Amino acid sequence: SYELTQPPSVSVSPGQTASITCSGDKLGDKYACWYQQKPGQSPVLVIFQDTKRPSGIPERFSGSNSGNTATLTISGTQAMDEADYYCQAWDSNTVIFGGGTKLTVL
Amino acid sequence: QITLKESGPTLVKPTQTLTLTCTFSGFSLRTNGVGVGWIRQPPEKALEWLALIYWNDDKRYSPSLKSRFTITKDTSKNQVVLTMINMDPVDTATYYCAHSMSTGGSRYFDLWGRGTLVTVSS
Repeated sequence: SYELTQPPSVSVSPGQTASITCSGDKLGDKYACWYQQKPGQSPVLVIFQDTKRPSGIPERFSGSNSGNTATLTISGTQAMDEADYYCQAWDSNTVIFGGGTKLTVL
Repeated sequence: QITLKESGPTLVKPTQTLTLTCTFSGFSLRTNGVGVGWIRQPPEKALEWLALIYWNDDKRYSPSLKSRFTITKDTSKNQVVLTMINMDPVDTATYYCAHSMSTGGSRYFDLWGRGTLVTVSS
């Protein structure tokens, strides 16, 4: 079965750029999306189709996907961006989630 | 405005069957490309996809859990129902339903319900 691997945690200083990776076999041949989940809340879609931002998502969120790795980049990270982030892909008519990355802003 | 709300029992006993209902508004499950999915999240753990039903009644299940789940829709009531048999304490989780869209070959969940916590315990 297809698997997506994320680092368990990433730390970033306020105002700096955070990068969260998601790795899977030939992931670049599929589309990746990203969700943000804050404690006690439902996930929110922040990137879909590798690079697109849903309405209402700040421009500081961007995505890329090439080779075996998709990356979520948060530019000018703010304290409010501290959350868990999950990547997701679509493979063989099934949905796959990564294991999640806890982003700490300190 | 799209909304989804999960409902069902908060406590079930081991071996029992769980039935969860997702009641939605703001979209139609008759619309080409639209789907509704179920995702769960055990306490302090990652998201896990369970099932997805499409506007055309096509259904997809997580391969690892497929034998235990059934997903159905009632378009007239704007509801999607997930049934899970033989519940076990490891199935304790928050269960979410979510609106699913497909764009250019990708599929994603753009709007989620608030989730419902289901505890499996005797």
